[in-house]
Order: sequence, then C-alpha cells, then structure tokens
Amino acid sequence: AQSVTQPDIHITVSEGASLELRCNYSYGATPYLFWYVQSPGQGLQLLLKYFSGDTLVQGIKGFEAEFKRSQSSFNLRKPSVHWSDAAEYFCAVGAKAAGNKLTFGGGTRVLVKP
Amino acid sequence: GAVVSQHPSWVICKSGTSVKIECRSLDFQATTMFWYRQFPKQSLMLMATSNEGSKATYEQGVEKDKFLINHASLTLSTLTVTSAHPEDSSFYICSARDESRGNQPQHFGDGTRLSIL
Repeated sequence: AQSVTQPDIHITVSEGASLELRCNYSYGATPYLFWYVQSPGQGLQLLLKYFSGDTLVQGIKGFEAEFKRSQSSFNLRKPSVHWSDAAEYFCAVGAKAAGNKLTFGGGTRVLVKP
Repeated sequence: GAVVSQHPSWVICKSGTSVKIECRSLDFQATTMFWYRQFPKQSLMLMATSNEGSKATYEQGVEKDKFLINHASLTLSTLTVTSAHPEDSSFYICSARDESRGNQPQHFGDGTRLSIL
C-alpha cells in the first residue's frame, strides 16, 4: 500500500526567505510523485510531477523538488517565497500499478510573514 | 492543458435531500475519474474510482448506496449524495487525467462545498 508523510503541519516563513517542505513516501516500487497547492476553498493545482528520469524536477511558480530514492523523499523547495505562496501544500504518490490512484500526505500549511 | 470542471461549486440544502455533483473533463477523455472528500483542515481522502461504462470502485468504509457514482460518458462523472445529512457536509473534489498521452498527472476540479442544514 502507498503512504505519504508530510512531517510539518505548519511552516511560517518570511517573505523572500527560502522554503523547503518535506515529503516521505512508502511504496514498493518506483512511485509517481506529485506536489499540489491548494488555496482556501479551492481545488488543487499541480506544482510539479515526477515520473522518471532526472530526479530534480522543476515546476511552476519557481518551485522545484528532488526525488531521493535512498531516503524515500520528494522534498519541495523554493529559493525565495512570495506572499502569494501562502497556501496548503500536498505531496501525493501514485502508481500505474495502483490504477493511478493518488494517496495524499496530510498537507503542510505555509504562512508567509511580511 | 487538461482542464477538469466541477459543478456546482457550493450547495446548501436541507437534511434528507439528494445532491448531485458533476465532474467534467473539458478537453480530454477519461475512462477513469476519482472522487475525493476533504474535511476542514484535513487532507484529501479517496472515496471511489469512477469507471466509464461500469460500476465504480469504492474505498473501504465508503457507503456505495450513500454516494452513488455514474460515469456515463468519457467526459462526465457524477456523484450523488443520497439522503444527505449534516455529517455529509464536506468539500468534494474530483480528478481526472488525460489517458491518451502517456504519463500524465491528475488534474483536479475546483471542488464542491456541500453544506447540509
């Protein structure tokens, strides 16, 4: 079975500072990995995805994530956050063998201080 | 890019009524769509997999008679919450992926906030 852990429930960061959100997964084979962002009352927007190949993945809005198989991690980073980055971030794992169903982490709420 | 439309975005209704939520893939076809439920300040929990032309597959603990899913075409899946009660109040989100293009991520609708009085 797939599982995803996002250890940090909340993170507060100053505008302009760097951001790193942690994600650890459990899956027997190579998973598909995703980061989504959700603003209050909204659906989910895809930030980036990993299927195979280069383990450093670039996404939208200046985000990137690195797949580290040895650590079962897929941490999300941004060098300099903007106030508009305040939102809930979800890491998700899926697999073709699992019918492409996604399992989500618990989410990390990012607060941005001016 | 792939777009998923969900309607309505907000529903308020009386206890005991049934509510239908639509999920449409606007520029691609999807034999499979997914329905999730999200409680306030919590993550998304998969409820069921909607399969075009066949029965939906429900996750453990989800009442299939309470949450009726119909996937009658390659671009439309509906979720009907039957005889809704206040405990069914939640945020419901659907997703779909463009299956014609290899590895593609799930794209999500904007969600439906259901409030049962």
